[in-house]
Amino acid sequence: GNSVTQMEGPVTLSEEAFLTINCTYTATGYPSLFWYVQYPGEGLQLLLKATKADDKGSNKGFEATYRKETTSFHLEKGSVQVSDSAVYFCALSGVYQKVTFGTGTKLQVIP
Amino acid sequence: DVKVTQSSRYLVKRTGEKVFLECVQDMDHENMFWYRQDPGLGLRLIYFSYDVKMKEKGDIPEGYSVSREKKERFSLILESASTNQTSMYLCASSSSGRGQYFGPGTRLTVT
Repeated sequence: GNSVTQMEGPVTLSEEAFLTINCTYTATGYPSLFWYVQYPGEGLQLLLKATKADDKGSNKGFEATYRKETTSFHLEKGSVQVSDSAVYFCALSGVYQKVTFGTGTKLQVIP
Repeated sequence: DVKVTQSSRYLVKRTGEKVFLECVQDMDHENMFWYRQDPGLGLRLIYFSYDVKMKEKGDIPEGYSVSREKKERFSLILESASTNQTSMYLCASSSSGRGQYFGPGTRLTVT
């Protein structure tokens, strides 16, 4: 079946540091890939997506590229802010838009 | 913007009570989902529905049932609440290829 593996957290960075959160997946076929973000006390928000190999999803300074050859979808941001502190989930979609989520990576950005 | 609303943000129920969690989406999405989120376990799919009156079991359906009488509304039912059902419950909806949109969540405590 489908699965998503993302790096364990928490990740603690200083403001303006470079962020990478690793994500790899196992899936049959050609799934769409997503990153979601969850701020404290809230539901998940779709951050970005990519629907086919070599697509780059981007939003709010975050980027991720769909790498079929390495089955990866790593999340990056060049300069993080305190307001980026949240939990980030990597995910892929399958039949009926059923989504498989990673376990989440908590990011804490300190001033 | 897609809006997914859930009937309560916080709910406290007693063991053995029947509990209804309501979810409504306003974007005419075909697919709707119920998850629970627990620390260290990530999101786990309870049930999903790809059409009115249709339902499919997710990964952890035991102790839950669902109802989808109208396209915009998807209800999660705990027939007899137990303390191990204390959790954050998240509803989501989606349409083809666009990713899932989540409600704010209901934090349920069963005492």
